Amino acid sequence: QKEVEQNSGPLSVPEGAIASLNCTYSDRGSQSFFWYRQYSGKSPELIMSIYSNGDKEDGRFTAQLNKASQYVSLLIRDSQPSDSATYLCAVILTGGSYIPTFGRGTSLIVHP
Amino acid sequence: NAGVMQNPRHLVRRRGQEARLRCSPMKGHSHVYWYRQLPEEGLKFMVYLQKENIIDESGMPKERFSAEFPKEGPSILRIQQVVRGDSAAYFCASSPPPGDSYEQYFGPGTRLTVT
Repeated sequence: QKEVEQNSGPLSVPEGAIASLNCTYSDRGSQSFFWYRQYSGKSPELIMSIYSNGDKEDGRFTAQLNKASQYVSLLIRDSQPSDSATYLCAVILTGGSYIPTFGRGTSLIVHP
Repeated sequence: NAGVMQNPRHLVRRRGQEARLRCSPMKGHSHVYWYRQLPEEGLKFMVYLQKENIIDESGMPKERFSAEFPKEGPSILRIQQVVRGDSAAYFCASSPPPGDSYEQYFGPGTRLTVT
C-alpha cells in the first residue's frame, strides 16, 4: 500500500519567516514528486516538481528531495499572508500507471 | 493556452437523479484523471483515461459510476442514482503523455450537492 504522509497542521508562521513543509512516502521506487497549493474552495495548483535528489529552487520556493530517507520538503522563504493555504504532496511511482498518490495536505497560516 | 476546463462548476441533484460532469483537458494533453475530494479530506483518485481508453479505474466505485473520454469532445464522469454521500468536489486533471512530463494540471472542479 503506497502511502504519503503529511502533518495536517496548521503550521503557523509569521510574515517574512521561512515555512517548512514536510512529506514522507512509503514506496522506495517512487521517482516523481510534486507540491500543490490549494486555497480553500479552489482546485490544487502545481507549484513544484522534483525528480532528483537535492534541492530545486523556483523563486521563493525550494523543494528538497532525499530518496534514501524517503522524504520531500517544501521551503517557502519570505512567507506572505497570501501563502496561507493547504499544501499537498504527491508522489508517482514511475513505471506504474503514473497515478499520483496525494497526501492529505498541510495547512499553512502566515500571520502578519 | 487555455487551462483545464470543467463544467458545470456547481451541480445540484436530488437523490436518485443522474449527474454528468465534463472535463476538457489542456491543449496538447491527452491524458485525463478524475479525483474526488470530500470536505477536510484528501484527494482520492477515481479513474485515469486517455482518448477512447480507460487506463486505470481502480479508484472508481463499482456501481453507479462510469467515465469516458471519447475521440471527440470532453471526458465525462457519470454518476447514476446519486446519493447524499456523493456530495463532494470532483476535480479533473490533465497531463501530456507520460514520458513527456508527469505533471498534472487541475481544472476548477465541479461541486456536486445531492439533496
